[in-house]
Amino acid sequence: EAEVAQSPRYKITEKSQAVAFWCDPISGHATLYWYRQILGQGPELLVQFQDESVVDDSQLPKDRFSAERLKGVDSTLKIQPAELGDSAMYLCASSFSAGTGQYFGPGTRLTVT
Amino acid sequence: QKEVEQDPGPLSVPEGAIVSLNCTYSNSAFQYFMWYRQYSRKGPELLMYTYSSGNKEDGRFTAQVDKSSKYISLFIRDSQPSDSATYLCAMSERSGGGADGLTFGKGTHLIIQP
Repeated sequence: EAEVAQSPRYKITEKSQAVAFWCDPISGHATLYWYRQILGQGPELLVQFQDESVVDDSQLPKDRFSAERLKGVDSTLKIQPAELGDSAMYLCASSFSAGTGQYFGPGTRLTVT
Repeated sequence: QKEVEQDPGPLSVPEGAIVSLNCTYSNSAFQYFMWYRQYSRKGPELLMYTYSSGNKEDGRFTAQVDKSSKYISLFIRDSQPSDSATYLCAMSERSGGGADGLTFGKGTHLIIQP
């Protein structure tokens, strides 16, 4: 069964350092999403891509977060510099197209010390 | 008031019981409704996906959407201990630009007692 791949699964970094997460969506899925989930809360959208274009990044803290999907397949989310409040699970999801079911990867658990 | 309200629980029921999970929402523009199951420290798993009002059944799971009341439900029949997890409702609009990021509830922690 096709799955969304994410790496690393766990990341511990110090405050003010840079950190990056990688996502490979299900093959053929044109739409890719990054969400952040704080413990005890539901995921919150950070950014949505359609192919290589950003569709929605209104909730992305652009002073420190950046995301790219250069060839319209895999994607990278970066945080620089990391802050203590960034500790969370970072989830990637993909869908065949906007308006269809979104399938999530296993997530990257980030701890900022 | 959050856009999507969901009782966090925990909800504890005996094995074999019918489970009812619910969410209310305030945004009348929501058109797509989903239910996810999330085990501890794992990514959410898509269980049910519905568009607009009505019912949808898949095995032991039934999803209901009542847009007039802004209320959605997930029913689990013949509940099993393996159903113990957090259940998240999620919904989205469909904008002209294709943006359809999901708005989630907080999740309900469900415990099925053997």
